[in-house]
Amino acid sequence: DSGVTQTPKHLITATGQRVTLRCSPRSGDLSVYWYQQSLDQGLQFLIQYYNGEERAKGNILERFSAQQFPDLHSELNLSSLELGDSALYFCASSVQAGGPQETQYFGPGTRLLVL
Amino acid sequence: GQQVMQIPQYQHVQEGEDFTTYCNSSTTLSNIQWYKQRPGGHPVFLIQLVKSGEVKKQKRLTFQFGEAKKNSSLHITATQTTDVGTYFCAASPGANNLFFGTGTRLTVIP
Repeated sequence: DSGVTQTPKHLITATGQRVTLRCSPRSGDLSVYWYQQSLDQGLQFLIQYYNGEERAKGNILERFSAQQFPDLHSELNLSSLELGDSALYFCASSVQAGGPQETQYFGPGTRLLVL
Repeated sequence: GQQVMQIPQYQHVQEGEDFTTYCNSSTTLSNIQWYKQRPGGHPVFLIQLVKSGEVKKQKRLTFQFGEAKKNSSLHITATQTTDVGTYFCAASPGANNLFFGTGTRLTVIP
């Protein structure tokens, strides 16, 4: 157990819909990262927040957005969902701002299925 | 953009055989991390290498960082069924955030 929690574990929805994925980092961690992992694919970095502010952006679609709240939990919003958005979405956290030598601790993931 | 390439993408070995996965970058890396993701699980941090030519061992796992800090390898001696999973390298070639390699999926045949 990494200490990172994600809800829900599974999500089934239809194309065109909007969903929100939630992540709570490990106690004391200030950074939250979002990753997308499609079937047989690696981990695609989406976005990072550090202490409430956006820190780094990866391959995140304009239909996707995220935020980090004062209590440091984060939400990833996915809108106008398409079939190709079906994937595992992982949240990870780290202690500080995500320097190259920081370890990331991953949550169990949310499996999203868009029908 | 920055890319960290891993080979092979898949590897099937007989239990007891050795296994190696390689991670290559076109740019010099400040450090490299290795993660393991069991089937149905989430990535878990294994180790970090920082120094040029560094070698670290964890039981049957040996991690190496190249002299030029552009490549790394993970070698597993005498694989066991518990080694099954996908092994990712991750690096920050000058950027703040980690870039994960494409991963090597290891299957161990009992």
